[in-house]
Amino acid sequence: AAGVIQSPRHLIKEKRETATLKCYPIPRHDTVYWYQQGPGQDPQFLISFYEKMQSDKGSIPDRFSAQQFSDYHSELNMSSLELGDSALYFCASSFTGGDLTDTQYFGPGTRLTVL
Amino acid sequence: AQSVTQPDIHITVSEGASLELRCNYSYGATPYLFWYVQSPGQGLQLLLKYFSGDTLVQGIKGFEAEFKRSQSSFNLRKPSVHWSDAAEYFCAVGAAGTASKLTFGTGTRLQVTL
Repeated sequence: AAGVIQSPRHLIKEKRETATLKCYPIPRHDTVYWYQQGPGQDPQFLISFYEKMQSDKGSIPDRFSAQQFSDYHSELNMSSLELGDSALYFCASSFTGGDLTDTQYFGPGTRLTVL
Repeated sequence: AQSVTQPDIHITVSEGASLELRCNYSYGATPYLFWYVQSPGQGLQLLLKYFSGDTLVQGIKGFEAEFKRSQSSFNLRKPSVHWSDAAEYFCAVGAAGTASKLTFGTGTRLQVTL
């Protein structure tokens, strides 16, 4: 079965640079979520989109922005990168439908290293 | 606010032994509960979920979990552990509603000895 695709899988950036992470949800899924997992930490919710509209927002820094496009893929844009942004960034997708019991399926993650 | 507590940071069991990983949640309404497993450097794989109905839910890889509302718990069990089960296990709680976030526990690292 098709899974969530994230690209790139690994990314190395210098401080103050920008980065763009991409997420391609499972076909027919209409909702995308972004999470950040620091070393030895649990995943922390950043932001979600349903039908291309922002739906929920967590502890996402103002330096980060995200959007969901017409084909449902999503991009997380990160500017003025800091050392503390080094983490594993997960995208998850779900099909919301009408029963409110959407299950989130996670991608393999993008490992961002800021030097 | 929703929260999850996984009291055990690290557990070691022998291959073939039974396993129980503890999870306690805090949520004001009926919770949606999940267990995910993560191998080192890998993504999160869904093991099982509870939305409603039967409080004993079966998942993949021989795992099961039982929802106990009175104890606010959703413990994960497996009758016989295999060496390949060594990984990090995360319990998560979600809210009803469109595109609602998951709140994860801090995880339990399972080590399996041969």
